[in-house]
Amino acid sequence: QSVLTQPPSVSGAPGQRVTISCTGSSSNIGAGYDVHWYQQLPGTAPKLLIYGNSNRPSGVPDRFSGSKSGTSASLAITGLQAEDEADYYCQSYDSSLSQGVFGGGTKLTVL
Amino acid sequence: QVQLVQSGAEVKKPGASVKVSCKASGYTFTSYDISWVRQAPGQGLEWMGWISTYNGNTNYAQKFQGRVTMTTDTSTSTAYMELRNLRSDATAVYYCARGGSSGPQGFDYWGQGTLVTVSS
Repeated sequence: QSVLTQPPSVSGAPGQRVTISCTGSSSNIGAGYDVHWYQQLPGTAPKLLIYGNSNRPSGVPDRFSGSKSGTSASLAITGLQAEDEADYYCQSYDSSLSQGVFGGGTKLTVL
Repeated sequence: QVQLVQSGAEVKKPGASVKVSCKASGYTFTSYDISWVRQAPGQGLEWMGWISTYNGNTNYAQKFQGRVTMTTDTSTSTAYMELRNLRSDATAVYYCARGGSSGPQGFDYWGQGTLVTVSS
């Protein structure tokens, strides 16, 4: 059971928009800690996709965007492409546990 | 360019220890913390802990306290993660990543991962 809750899977057709939610609590996202998102392609190391809730590292397409409100955060992907098919993870810090925490991950399928 | 290069795959017996290395290059090693994350086969990411490369301070996930030790060698820009008393459920890919657990930058660079297999 992950501290941050993500849907196990989402799907969308090429060109569509999908969102992935990340639900936390008052000891992590709700406490003001930043949320980061990672993309993991099969057989590879995770890659930072969004940092500080809504910032994109250099080289990440602007099709990817992040937001945060209250005890939740979301990753939105517009103009879905086949290459976006991957696992996505949210990550933050939990003050009750005094440790970093990940969501359980969401598998994105491009139909 | 920033790189984190990890040591090779390991096979260990239950009860043994493993020490994984993570050699950094392309940046000032002591300016960024190093975190360790593991991923069991077919499972999600699990944060294990972090170490300050500046002063050696550590913060371990509760699950690993007493069994894990993270260290650094600033002379070679290398971080180490040792996990003791391995059980079969420790079979996983272990990643090092640049960044601390609560920083605003996230884990911006990752090592390629080290597969640790625990089997009798």
